[in-house]
Amino acid sequence: SYELTQPLSVSVALGQTARITCGGNNIGSKNVHWYQQKPGQAPVLVIYRDSNRPSGIPERFSGSNSGNTATLTISRAQAGDEADYYCQVWDSSPGWVFGGGTKLTVL
Amino acid sequence: EVQLVESGGGLVQPGGSLRLSCAASGFTFSSYSMNWVRQAPGKGLEWVSYISSSSSTIYYADSVKGRFTISRDNAKNSLYLQMNSLRDEDTAVYYCAREESGSSSFDYWGQGTLVTVSS
Repeated sequence: SYELTQPLSVSVALGQTARITCGGNNIGSKNVHWYQQKPGQAPVLVIYRDSNRPSGIPERFSGSNSGNTATLTISRAQAGDEADYYCQVWDSSPGWVFGGGTKLTVL
Repeated sequence: EVQLVESGGGLVQPGGSLRLSCAASGFTFSSYSMNWVRQAPGKGLEWVSYISSSSSTIYYADSVKGRFTISRDNAKNSLYLQMNSLRDEDTAVYYCAREESGSSSFDYWGQGTLVTVSS
């Protein structure tokens, strides 16, 4: 089955740029979605199909996908961006696959 | 306003059964595929099951195949998950999520319902 690999944690200074990666075999050929989850809350979609932002998601959130790595980029990081972030793809198994999640800390 | 409200969680003994429900409102439920996703305490998200808008296509994660059954009632705007032969490792918060038609992303999620499997 298809596997997605995310770093357990990423730290970023307030106002700087955070990059969260999601690795998978030829992930560039798949559509990647990203979710943000704050403690005690349901996940929220922040990027769909690699690089598209749903309405209401700040422009500071962007995404890219190429080769074996998809990346979620958060510019001008704010304290409110602290959360767990998950990538997701559709696998031919068939079924949905989530990455293990990355905890973002804003210092 | 789109709303998804799960119910039916609780404490159940290993080997027992539970039926989760997800009540949908604020959109045309019959036009959307739906999913169940779970999250064990302190762990990441795990996809559980998918059902197409007309129930014609259904998928399960290997971890629940043969034990869980997803279904829906479009007339009642409701999604269900029948869970049988429950195991300790099924303990989790269970979320229902709407699958957006164009992108296939999960654009709306419920607040979740906790299932605890323990003797």
